[in-house]
Amino acid sequence: GNSVTQMEGPVTLSEEAFLTINCTYTATGYPSLFWYVQYPGEGLQLLLKATKADDKGSNKGFEATYRKETTSFHLEKGSVQVSDSAVYFCALSYNTDKLIFGTGTRLQVFP
Amino acid sequence: EPEVTQTPSHQVTQMGQEVILRCVPISNHLYFYWYRQILGQKVEFLVSFYNNEISEKSEIFDDQFSVERPDGSNFTLKIRSTKLEDSAMYFCATSRARASGANVLTFGAGSRLTVL
Repeated sequence: GNSVTQMEGPVTLSEEAFLTINCTYTATGYPSLFWYVQYPGEGLQLLLKATKADDKGSNKGFEATYRKETTSFHLEKGSVQVSDSAVYFCALSYNTDKLIFGTGTRLQVFP
Repeated sequence: EPEVTQTPSHQVTQMGQEVILRCVPISNHLYFYWYRQILGQKVEFLVSFYNNEISEKSEIFDDQFSVERPDGSNFTLKIRSTKLEDSAMYFCATSRARASGANVLTFGAGSRLTVL
């Protein structure tokens, strides 16, 4: 079946460090891929998405590229800020309403 | 920016009790969803709802669960007789169109249910 695997957290970084959160997927066909972010006390918010292979989603300095050959959608940011501290969820959808999520990765950024 | 509002934010209940979780969707949204996340596990799809009918449900969504829009605004998830393993964060999500491919869900902040 379809599934998403993302790296365990927490990821702890100093401000201005480079961030990578790994996400790989298993799916029949070519799903749409998403990163959602949950800030403390808030709902999940769409951060970025990509709907076909080689697409790059980007938002707020975050980027992720849909890699069909490695079935990956890793999240990156060149210079993290304290305000980026949150839980990040990788997800896919394929020919259906429902999103299939990973377990989430907590990012903690210290000044 | 429009929000999806969920109540209560946290509910503690005894095993076997009925629980109703409420969601106020964004006003022009027509598709409604419930997801849940047991602590330390993945966010899991429970059910999708459109035009006053369930359009899809997961195997988690058994006879103990039900959804409805009783007054055309609130969207509720009822758990008839709670079990310990129902303890989780429950997320409501809504969208203007079917949430497939490029369409986007808007999520609420979640309702944490603790069953003792």
